[in-house]
Amino acid sequence: DQQVKQNSPSLSVQEGRISILNCDYTNSMFDYFLWYKKYPAEGPTFLISISSIKDKNEDGRFTVFLNKSAKHLSLHIVPSQPGDSAVYFCAASARHSGAGSYQLTFGKGTKLSVIP
Amino acid sequence: GAGVSQSPRYKVAKRGQDVALRCDPISGHVSLFWYQQALGQGPEFLTYFQNEAQLDKSGLPSDRFFAERPEGSVSTLKIQRTQQEDSAVYLCASSLSPGPQSTQYFGPGTRLLVL
Repeated sequence: DQQVKQNSPSLSVQEGRISILNCDYTNSMFDYFLWYKKYPAEGPTFLISISSIKDKNEDGRFTVFLNKSAKHLSLHIVPSQPGDSAVYFCAASARHSGAGSYQLTFGKGTKLSVIP
Repeated sequence: GAGVSQSPRYKVAKRGQDVALRCDPISGHVSLFWYQQALGQGPEFLTYFQNEAQLDKSGLPSDRFFAERPEGSVSTLKIQRTQQEDSAVYLCASSLSPGPQSTQYFGPGTRLLVL
């Protein structure tokens, strides 16, 4: 049972347009959410995060929206650039995980292709 | 280098062989995580260290998997009697402090192929 779901394996967007990547979660204990970006043969790179006390966090071209009632978050990239082409992973953590470990639970990823 | 480094980058093992994967975290980072990423999947948690203490090993798939961080810096993930289902990319991540909002920085991973 996947606790973090990214239902779109891939997404193609024209350069300059908006990219919207979606993520759903099932575990109501999750209270911190992150997006990581991954290029081939490299490790994931942190992009942006949001705490459950907020519904929006913005950093330059990247904005993450959180809808707690729907257990849904999304990443908006505006404007999209060819260098944004990568696999994007949604991840979540639970603040009180008992063992003191703030492990991340990841989705399967969405491959974004930005077409010049 | 300021980032997390891992070695080897690639490892081919025969079924039944033991392997050891190394992680050098960012200097001064207290927390260290190991994840396993199978093909087409997201990374899955294996184990967590706070300094030299292994506080969570709930994600280790079997007792063939063993991890250590004896001096609170470099960590080694050991897999005994490797099997084909162990083939995956093994990622190490470190963070400055143990809090949930302390960003985890990932290494490039070790790609393990068991034949």
